[in-house]
Amino acid sequence: EVQLVESGGGLVQPGGSLRLSCAASGFTFSSYAMSWVRQAPGKGLEWVSSISGSGGSTYYADSVKGRFTISRDNSKNTLYLQMNSLRAEDTAVYYCAREVMVVPADAYYFDYWGQGTLVTVSS
Amino acid sequence: DIVMTQSPDSLAVSLGEKATINCKSSQSLLYSPNNKNYLAWYQQKPGQPPKLLIYWASTRESGVPDRFSGSGSGTDFTLSISSLQAEDVAVYYCQQYYSTPITFGQGTRLEIK
Repeated sequence: EVQLVESGGGLVQPGGSLRLSCAASGFTFSSYAMSWVRQAPGKGLEWVSSISGSGGSTYYADSVKGRFTISRDNSKNTLYLQMNSLRAEDTAVYYCAREVMVVPADAYYFDYWGQGTLVTVSS
Repeated sequence: DIVMTQSPDSLAVSLGEKATINCKSSQSLLYSPNNKNYLAWYQQKPGQPPKLLIYWASTRESGVPDRFSGSGSGTDFTLSISSLQAEDVAVYYCQQYYSTPITFGQGTRLEIK
C-alpha cells in the first residue's frame, strides 16, 4: 500500500524557516518524481515544487522560487521542502504527492497524496 | 500558464439526481499526435487530501465508482456524477497536465439539496 506521511509543519514568524518531510512507503520511491502542493485555508490547490526521481532536476512555482528548496534522500525514502524567508501568504496545508509522468508534455498528474502538514506564518 | 476555470463555484443536487461540473482551459489540452486530452479530476472531502478520480479526461482511476464519468475535449470538459450519493459531498478540482506549470481549477463545492 502506497503511503505518504508529511511532517514538520508548525507556527513560524515571518522571515523564518521550516523544513517539511514526507516519508514514503509501499513503492519504489526512486522511480517516481514527487511534488509539493499547497492549499491555503479555505482556498484551492497550488503546485509548489517538483523533483525528479533521481533528484537531479528540480522545478519551482514563481511564488516560491529562490526561497524554497526541494530535495530527496532515496536511501531514506524521504522527500523534503526547505522553506526560507517565509511570508504570511505561505500559510497553507502542504501536501506531498506522487507524480504520474506523461509524455510528451513532461507534465504530470498525481495518483497518491499525503494527509498534509499545516504551516502557519504569523507573528 | 494555462488558466483553468470551473463552473459553477458551488452546486446543490438532490440525492439520486445527476450532478455536472464544468472545467474550461485557456488553451487546448488535446495533443493531436495521440488524440489525448491532458486533464485530470480530483475529489477532496472535508479534512482529507485530494483523491484522483479521472485522468486523460475520461479514464476512471481504479476503484472509482462508475457513477463518476468525465467527458469533453480541447478546452471544455465535464465531470458528471450520474446518481448523487451522500458520500459524494466534496470539492472537485480539474487539473491540466498539458504543460508545466501544471495548474488547477479553483474548485467546485458539491452539496446535497
